[in-house]
Amino acid sequence: QKEVEQDPGPLSVPEGAIVSLNCTYSNSAFQYFMWYRQYSRKGPELLMYTYSSGNKEDGRFTAQVDKSSKYISLFIRDSQPSDSATYLCASLDAGTYKYIFGTGTRLKVLA
Amino acid sequence: GAVVSQHPSWVICKSGTSVKIECRSLDFQATTMFWYRQFPKQSLMLMATSNEGSKATYEQGVEKDKFLINHASLTLSTLTVTSAHPEDSSFYICSARDEGIHNSPLHFGNGTRLTVT
Repeated sequence: QKEVEQDPGPLSVPEGAIVSLNCTYSNSAFQYFMWYRQYSRKGPELLMYTYSSGNKEDGRFTAQVDKSSKYISLFIRDSQPSDSATYLCASLDAGTYKYIFGTGTRLKVLA
Repeated sequence: GAVVSQHPSWVICKSGTSVKIECRSLDFQATTMFWYRQFPKQSLMLMATSNEGSKATYEQGVEKDKFLINHASLTLSTLTVTSAHPEDSSFYICSARDEGIHNSPLHFGNGTRLTVT
């Protein structure tokens, strides 16, 4: 079992839809969580960084963490074709300072 | 926000030659930087952790003599692919965390696409 599990997709949605991207993790030592967006042939770009359980909002993006069920989500409202990319979730083990990445979910937003 | 600059963005070299990739943290200091390799449509694979002023830590299965890492300052790490072969063709990405921020997230460079002919 991988430490961070993420559905690889691809996930196709129409423009304007609400997108839900999800990851699960297995290690209780993971305390910090990140979402990255990666366009083809580019490095990952940090979108959201959270620590606490609950929601964190930034524009059209909302990151949600549920530490009790070890579940993290990224919601994208009013999705745009420019949101088409691979989204990576990641966790930081604060004990070992290791960053663990999911495999990424490929998202396509259709115009 | 924290910016990591990586150069070159792409490079083509002949088999047997060496290629150096630079990774710089532009507005923060990083005693630790990370080098990843990514194959098409696959996730990031950590190759090594670069430590300023000391030897890099390589992940299992990564040849340290093939992938030389130097971290000579608090803002610069380099990865040299020595005696490159076509199987070394890949996308290489560096990252760093802002050590001025407790439990900082990782910030990535824009990657280097290496093609070995």
